[in-house]
Amino acid sequence: AQTVTQSQPEMSVQEAETVTLSCTYDTSENNYYLFWYKQPPSRQMILVIRQEAYKQQNATENRFSVNFQKAAKSFSLKISDSQLGDTAMYFCAFMKRGTNFGNEKLTFGTGTRLTIIP
Amino acid sequence: DGGITQSPKYLFRKEGQNVTLSCEQNLNHDAMYWYRQDPGQGLRLIYYSQIVNDFQKGDIAEGYSVSREKKESFPLTVTSAQKNPTAFYLCASSIRDRFYGYTFGSGTRLTVV
Repeated sequence: AQTVTQSQPEMSVQEAETVTLSCTYDTSENNYYLFWYKQPPSRQMILVIRQEAYKQQNATENRFSVNFQKAAKSFSLKISDSQLGDTAMYFCAFMKRGTNFGNEKLTFGTGTRLTIIP
Repeated sequence: DGGITQSPKYLFRKEGQNVTLSCEQNLNHDAMYWYRQDPGQGLRLIYYSQIVNDFQKGDIAEGYSVSREKKESFPLTVTSAQKNPTAFYLCASSIRDRFYGYTFGSGTRLTVV
């Protein structure tokens, strides 16, 4: 079974600064996908960014980028020029790619609560 | 606009009563999922369904039941056998190529008193 670990329960950063959220995972699979989801106070889960394990290039979405280190099984999220609207819980998630749908489910970490300070 | 609708947003029930949480999607997604969220534990998978009339247990299915009679609907029943039902429940769906991630509903907060 896959496990996802987020070792930072809470973080805070000043507005406009850069912050990095950590995520590590444990798997014996070679073909998989990694995701970062954001859950603001409204509790709506929003997909932030997605990485395919077979791609070496790190994914980027505007101010959000990842540092994907496959050998180290690390998948950190960097938020640049942080904004007040970035205040949220952030969840790292893993999905194995296989031929059996039953094995291809999102497994989530425990989350990091990020607060952007004005 | 397409999306996933969960209702109600807040639900209160007395201990020992069964309760059903609604999840409806108009995204024409094939797969649907139920997750439970507790503080400090992230999201844990309860049940999932790939197609109509078929569903499988997730990691914490005990005390829960589901049905998938229509593609658009995937209701979750929290039975009296669930020992600690108070939690936030999230429904999600995905297209057949689910590797693009899931679309989530806005959740239902269930409180059992």
